[in-house]
Amino acid sequence: GAGVSQSPSNKVTEKGKDVELRCDPISGHTALYWYRQSLGQGLEFLIYFQGNSAPDKSGLPSDRFSAERTGGSVSTLTIQRTQQEDSAVYLCASSLGRQEQFFGPGTRLTVL
Amino acid sequence: QKEVEQDPGPLSVPEGAIVSLNCTYSNSAFQYFMWYRQYSRKGPELLMYTYSSGNKEDGRFTAQVDKSSKYISLFIRDSQPSDSATYLCAMSEGGGFKTIFGAGTRLFVKA
Repeated sequence: GAGVSQSPSNKVTEKGKDVELRCDPISGHTALYWYRQSLGQGLEFLIYFQGNSAPDKSGLPSDRFSAERTGGSVSTLTIQRTQQEDSAVYLCASSLGRQEQFFGPGTRLTVL
Repeated sequence: QKEVEQDPGPLSVPEGAIVSLNCTYSNSAFQYFMWYRQYSRKGPELLMYTYSSGNKEDGRFTAQVDKSSKYISLFIRDSQPSDSATYLCAMSEGGGFKTIFGAGTRLFVKA
């Protein structure tokens, strides 16, 4: 079956521009997570959605970052006024409850 | 201090060796412990998932959790070149799904 998909796979943008990253989770998965992975680093938690509960936004690094999940399925991570330090791979994952998180291939963001 | 500490390596071992990977943590509320494997330019995939303290074995992989020491380990027996990857520990509390990952240890298994 289809796994988690993310688009675009690569995004190059100029400093100060806004970007939107999209995640399509596995159908039926109630939880959706966003992480950031900088070069050679582990995964930094950003935000997760679980069912109809309020999202846990405690990992978002600044108010330039926001995310939404529409209809309990697709999610969009938006970064406003991008900075060079935002350059990283942004990974999305989904899970059925607390169990195994299935990851997408990531979006590689480069801010020039 | 990070909530989860993991030596980034790299760790290089000969084929057939026993590999020991470790993480320490500071948050005593962590109850769920995971190990993920990540190949270059791919998303992580789950290897082992344990709840609270104890051991869990799956094929060549054994996960150990010592909550009293806030220390978890992953052992790989009879390591293979295909095991060469980055191994990330991950943990979450009982109340929510927020998951904290270690920095990952890069492992090279030489044929």
